[in-house]
Amino acid sequence: AQKITQTQPGMFVQEKEAVTLDCTYDTSDQSYGLFWYKQPSSGEMIFLIYQGSYDEQNATEGRYSLNFQKARKSANLVISASQLGDSAMYFCAMKTGAGSYQLTFGKGTKLSVIP
Amino acid sequence: SAVISQKPSRDICQRGTSLTIQCQVDSQVTMMFWYRQQPGQSLTLIATANQGSEATYESGFVIDKFPISRPNLTFSTLTVSNMSPEDSSIYLCSVEDEPSSVADTQYFGPGTRLTVL
Repeated sequence: AQKITQTQPGMFVQEKEAVTLDCTYDTSDQSYGLFWYKQPSSGEMIFLIYQGSYDEQNATEGRYSLNFQKARKSANLVISASQLGDSAMYFCAMKTGAGSYQLTFGKGTKLSVIP
Repeated sequence: SAVISQKPSRDICQRGTSLTIQCQVDSQVTMMFWYRQQPGQSLTLIATANQGSEATYESGFVIDKFPISRPNLTFSTLTVSNMSPEDSSIYLCSVEDEPSSVADTQYFGPGTRLTVL
């Protein structure tokens, strides 16, 4: 079975500092995709970054990077130079063939950026 | 990425009534999905909507309660029937173009925030 675990219900970060949001996953598939989404209080789900299981380099998208440690089955999201607009819920998700290519979501982490 | 709109953006409904949520995409897409997000919770997949065929429902969701239509490759509707306060949630539609690829990104609409009194 596919499972995503996000152990941090809430995180605080000072504006302009970097923050790491944890995500571990469980799957027996060799081929899988890992995704991070941001959900502001408005409710929309915004795609941030993708990492494939066979990608040799960590994914980066602007201020977002993914610290992918395959042996440890972790895919942590790093946000650099935090901004007030980064305050939101962040969800880690995974797709595998064994999971019928459906997205399996973690419970999310609420990030609050402090001025 | 596709631009996705949903109507209504929010609604307050009385128990026992039904609400139909529309999802419109600016390009043709293969797969459309409907999710429910109960307050303070993560997303739960309700069903997958394929054009020209019956929707595929996940365990715990039934067609009588959540009928779905997918008349073409850019549009889908989800109806929440005979509503109760437990149906108060955000309902999100999403789209995907390569349903059998772990690399294909799923994009979401802005959501419909439903409150049932």
